[in-house]
Amino acid sequence: QVQLQESGPGLVKPSETLSLNCTVSGFFISAGFYWGWIRQPPGKGPEWIGSIYHSGTTNYSPSLKSRLTMSIDTSSNQFSLILHSVTAADTAVYYCARNTHPVYYFDRWGQGTLVTVSS
Amino acid sequence: SYVLTQPPSVSVAPGKTATINCGGPNVGGKSVQWYQQKPGQAPALVIYTDSDRPSGIPDRFSASNSGNTATLTIRRVEAGDEADYYCQVWDRDTDLVVFGGGTKLTVL
Repeated sequence: QVQLQESGPGLVKPSETLSLNCTVSGFFISAGFYWGWIRQPPGKGPEWIGSIYHSGTTNYSPSLKSRLTMSIDTSSNQFSLILHSVTAADTAVYYCARNTHPVYYFDRWGQGTLVTVSS
Repeated sequence: SYVLTQPPSVSVAPGKTATINCGGPNVGGKSVQWYQQKPGQAPALVIYTDSDRPSGIPDRFSASNSGNTATLTIRRVEAGDEADYYCQVWDRDTDLVVFGGGTKLTVL
């Protein structure tokens, strides 16, 4: 059974860098699929952040592309998100998810982790 | 950028049929997914590629997609169906993902 688990700081200061990891169990991330990040601000709908393939190929949301880096480590079965220069608008629950391709949808999700941007 | 419009709320009595729409320019030409999200939980896929159901999703859930509107239909609504529902498209032309704003389904 595929399981995903996000990890990282719950509080980040404005202008600093948000870093999150997603650990996948029950499935080898090198076996296929893209792996995605989605965030959901409090009381709002989900927003796709970006997706990465095991080869390292990435696909980023245009609205976040200039601040975003995603990476993948098949040896540890993890993938990561780095978002630079955060503001209060980046406060959200961040989810990692398994991402089908070529039609993008998200069939397995982590439980999510709340990241608050505040001084 | 591509925008998907959903009604903020839909109410339905138990045992009746709920219909949730998702509007967007030529959404019928895109692949639409639907997610159910209960409080404190991650979204869960209930419909993919317009009308397919993942294993474990009851056949009370169905969907269609044509023209400028995609529709999620839940028949014989149960109290446990009360949740937020989000549509999502993948735009093959831009290779980008867009979510709708969500619809809160209330079971009366």
